[in-house]
Amino acid sequence: DAGVIQSPRHEVTEMGQEVTLRCKPISGHNSLFWYRQTMMRGLELLIYFNNNVPIDDSGMPEDRFSAKMPNASFSTLKIQPSEPRDSAVYFCASSPLGTGYTGELFFGEGSRLTVL
Amino acid sequence: AQSVTQLDSQVPVFEEAPVELRCNYSSSVSVYLFWYVQYPNQGLQLLLKYLSGSTLVKGINGFEAEFNKSQTSFHLRKPSVHISDTAEYFCALSTGGGNKLTFGTGTQLKVEL
Repeated sequence: DAGVIQSPRHEVTEMGQEVTLRCKPISGHNSLFWYRQTMMRGLELLIYFNNNVPIDDSGMPEDRFSAKMPNASFSTLKIQPSEPRDSAVYFCASSPLGTGYTGELFFGEGSRLTVL
Repeated sequence: AQSVTQLDSQVPVFEEAPVELRCNYSSSVSVYLFWYVQYPNQGLQLLLKYLSGSTLVKGINGFEAEFNKSQTSFHLRKPSVHISDTAEYFCALSTGGGNKLTFGTGTQLKVEL
């Protein structure tokens, strides 16, 4: 079975440019999470969706960050404009939601973003 | 609110020695508990989980953890580590019901020859 698929795996861009990260969750999973990982701040939850609806976006750093989930099989995280402090590894994770839900997450390989 | 505390940010250990990574949690309701492992430049993988039943949980790669409700702990153990176990380990909890997973800050396990 295919796992969570993220693209691109690596992105290098210049300050001020728009960055779009993409995620395809595991088929049948209807919760999707975006995390950011840095050395300084560790693993931070940015936003999560249940059934394509954003439930908690309190972790989104500022208005430069936005996330969408137009359908059950695709989500994007956009940074516009990007800044050097946005450099991090961004992880997408998914989980099934419903009877027996335990909270277990299935992670993608991550997108490593470097903003120069 | 729930929280997870991993007191040790780094644990150095020699190969073939035993190791214990500590995890304590706080919650006013029942919890599900998880340990995830992150190898360098990779995503997080589930190592083991406690959902209910036996308090001793066995996971992949010879790891096990024991749920202790009275101590509110879920420590991870391995009787003999290998170089390949060098990674970061995250403890996490969930209360289910569509709520998010709460992660600890992680423990870097460094296995040395």
